[in-house]
Amino acid sequence: QQPVQSPQAVILREGEDAVINCSSSKALYSVHWYRQKHGEAPVFLMILLKGGEQKGHEKISASFNEKKQQSSLYLTASQLSYSGTYFCGTEMGTSGTYKYIFGTGTRLKVLA
Amino acid sequence: DADVTQTPRNRITKTGKRIMLECSQTKGHDRMYWYRQDPGLGLRLIYYSFDVKDINKGEISDGYSVSRQAQAKFSLSLESAIPNQTALYFCATSDPGRDTEAFFGQGTRLTVV
Repeated sequence: QQPVQSPQAVILREGEDAVINCSSSKALYSVHWYRQKHGEAPVFLMILLKGGEQKGHEKISASFNEKKQQSSLYLTASQLSYSGTYFCGTEMGTSGTYKYIFGTGTRLKVLA
Repeated sequence: DADVTQTPRNRITKTGKRIMLECSQTKGHDRMYWYRQDPGLGLRLIYYSFDVKDINKGEISDGYSVSRQAQAKFSLSLESAIPNQTALYFCATSDPGRDTEAFFGQGTRLTVV
């Protein structure tokens, strides 16, 4: 039930681009993305809704393919501050009983 | 002060001991969650609660129990700790309804020896 993320880890140089993928075996109504800095709590980045609406971060973009039950996070011109672990998440359940389920995580390290 | 506070932040305990992790929030949210984080496995849901009287098991609830003492407080207990429960534990809260973000506590690093 847990969404699977790929890659599991990625290392890149400052200024390079990265893509993080999130794939679910169940239908997705919306996809959330969070970033966790080392030793800190995960922090909300953005949410993508069916129909293409996106709310959140200014410099990080994402896509949501409802039919394929997938989402991708695009980190362009990466900065050192982008380092951390990224989680996708989704709300599963029925009306009034939605629960957050998070993905397997992707560790991103940006080198100077 | 943080919106979601977890205590303790770090704990080392022995196999077989009972331990409680506590979470309190000032967000006024009804929904509260407990997750554990392990390398390569991401955040896995242990228990979640929609209000004081509504508590539900998550994907990995075996060996854990919870108590929702008030809207603002949600505790996680390990009745008899075992080494494979060594992990980073997070409490989170959110508003009811869809499309709302989750707010996390700072985490509790638990080591069972």
